[in-house]
Amino acid sequence: DVKVTQSSRYLVKRTGEKVFLECVQDMDHENMFWYRQDPGLGLRLIYFSYDVKMKEKGDIPEGYSVSREKKERFSLILESASTNQTSMYLCASSSTIILDRAGGYTFGSGTRLTVV
Amino acid sequence: AQSVTQPDIHITVSEGASLELRCNYSYGATPYLFWYVQSPGQGLQLLLKYFSGDTLVQGIKGFEAEFKRSQSSFNLRKPSVHWSDAAEYFCAVGADFGNEKLTFGTGTRLTIIP
Repeated sequence: DVKVTQSSRYLVKRTGEKVFLECVQDMDHENMFWYRQDPGLGLRLIYFSYDVKMKEKGDIPEGYSVSREKKERFSLILESASTNQTSMYLCASSSTIILDRAGGYTFGSGTRLTVV
Repeated sequence: AQSVTQPDIHITVSEGASLELRCNYSYGATPYLFWYVQSPGQGLQLLLKYFSGDTLVQGIKGFEAEFKRSQSSFNLRKPSVHWSDAAEYFCAVGADFGNEKLTFGTGTRLTIIP
């Protein structure tokens, strides 16, 4: 019954590495989102996408990029990982259809990334 | 721009006691309002939502929330908590038509004592 899948639960990467976080949803949702979650700061939006090959910056896009080549997959890329990117990363998806919109987001289980 | 404030960082209640978690939002038009719960090491699960109609909404796990436009609030309540309710709770607000982004509060961590 898993609907939003994040490929890794835990990752440890070295400073300067290029890191890929993958997210796949099976609900045919148009919208996909990447958030990072830090204690005391809640969830902060990094990037989002309303359609294939479309992307928009969220509140904290610096140091990140995204890719959405297929509707079901939304990848977050850390171009050169730094220790301040150690965090929990959450992927979510939602529907654009008006009647479904108020269903809010469906979240993945998260990827806890540690950069050393 | 919309914003959400959860004034309580951490709340401790006894098992069987009642619970109220506070949420205040800022948005000019009619908002979509949500409560999510996050168990340790997990993603967020939708508890309940409000977007129109009856201002008292029922959710899963025995939770309810009341939308009060005059107070810009959407507080979460449960009459009797269970040890399994220990988790972090997030309030979120979404804009009306055309904007799919949700803005989340900073969360309230709930601890249950026997």
